[in-house]
Amino acid sequence: DGGITQSPKYLFRKEGQNVTLSCEQNLNHDAMYWYRQDPGQGLRLIYYSQIVNDFQKGDIAEGYSVSREKKESFPLTVTSAQKNPTAFYLCASSNYNEQFFGPGTRLTVL
Amino acid sequence: AQSVTQLDSQVPVFEEAPVELRCNYSSSVSVYLFWYVQYPNQGLQLLLKYLSGSTLVKGINGFEAEFNKSQTSFHLRKPSVHISDTAEYFCAVHNTNAGKSTFGDGTTLTVKP
Repeated sequence: DGGITQSPKYLFRKEGQNVTLSCEQNLNHDAMYWYRQDPGQGLRLIYYSQIVNDFQKGDIAEGYSVSREKKESFPLTVTSAQKNPTAFYLCASSNYNEQFFGPGTRLTVL
Repeated sequence: AQSVTQLDSQVPVFEEAPVELRCNYSSSVSVYLFWYVQYPNQGLQLLLKYLSGSTLVKGINGFEAEFNKSQTSFHLRKPSVHISDTAEYFCAVHNTNAGKSTFGDGTTLTVKP
């Protein structure tokens, strides 16, 4: 089955620690995206990549970093510089006509 | 720059009643338009999309939407809702030049028996 996987589904970390969220797709899509979702709010774009080895900042990139070394993978690192990292994180990939979303990772910083 | 406004944050409706979820957008370039549905603690699932052509778009689960260019709207409709339609619904516009999308804040549809 083609699709997007995100792992883990739930993640707990202590304040001040960096944490990396995984996103893998086997849809052969060039473009991939990371969004943050907070209660009562829509999706806010963190980073996106339209091709391997290239990525752009979205609207709320501060405190986050990404890499795109392979077409299938787009990991997101939440650094200690992110002031309020507790949120639901969604990864998506796109064939430029629509975006396909993963199941999400819920990050809780204690 | 582009923006999306979902005019209702919450829409309660009784089962088998019709429903309309409203979405207005602004953009200086041509965009693609989408409606997604999200169930609790899950990712988003595409309901329907408008890329070009007919302004009335039909999607999954009996939903449809109409693109109105003059009013810059893309309202979602269903003639008869079911309990299982209870979810969060997001309208989105995709800027093909920039390669990124902007989402509305979402509308919570609650279908009551």
